[in-house]
Amino acid sequence: SQKIEQNSEALNIQEGKTATLTCNYTNYSPAYLQWYRQDPGRGPVFLLLIRENEKEKRKERLKVTFDTTLKQSLFHITASQPADSATYLCALEFAGNMLTFGGGTRLMVKP
Amino acid sequence: GAGVSQSPSNKVTEKGKDVELRCDPISGHTALYWYRQSLGQGLEFLIYFQGNSAPDKSGLPSDRFSAERTGGSVSTLTIQRTQQEDSAVYLCASSSRQEQETQYFGPGTRLLVL
Repeated sequence: SQKIEQNSEALNIQEGKTATLTCNYTNYSPAYLQWYRQDPGRGPVFLLLIRENEKEKRKERLKVTFDTTLKQSLFHITASQPADSATYLCALEFAGNMLTFGGGTRLMVKP
Repeated sequence: GAGVSQSPSNKVTEKGKDVELRCDPISGHTALYWYRQSLGQGLEFLIYFQGNSAPDKSGLPSDRFSAERTGGSVSTLTIQRTQQEDSAVYLCASSSRQEQETQYFGPGTRLLVL
């Protein structure tokens, strides 16, 4: 069956360091993969989309990689700030524009 | 412009009662999605509306769940004979025809079934 795995344990890092979050999947061949940010009590907010034929995508301090052979995406936040503290969700496309989401990883950036 | 709105923001109900949750998508967005998020979990797809096409109901967990979208805009998710395991945050999202891959989420309705 299809499965998406994100580290369920919180990631704690020091301000200024690079945060790296992992999304692994099995039994999918998504046309694209997305990352969303979710703050407590809020709905997810779209951050980045990367397509199957793209290796890397950047947006300001964010970088996403997509390895369709390893079936893995890495999400990096450089020069992290306490305001980056949130839960980050990985989502994979299936059946057109439908998305299936991972369980998310909570990031805590300490000043 | 206004984002996706949902109402009520919180709903407490007794087991066995019916509830209706409302979603107002972004104006002009043709696609509308409902998801369920249990505490500390990822989003579980429930149902998808695209324009005037028949909805994709493949994610609805039981026949107690139903949804409709009137006039291609507002959507209502109905849960009949609620159970305690229905307690979760119900999230609605919409997307435009021009940017179909990006979903814009509402703040969710927190449902607690006692």
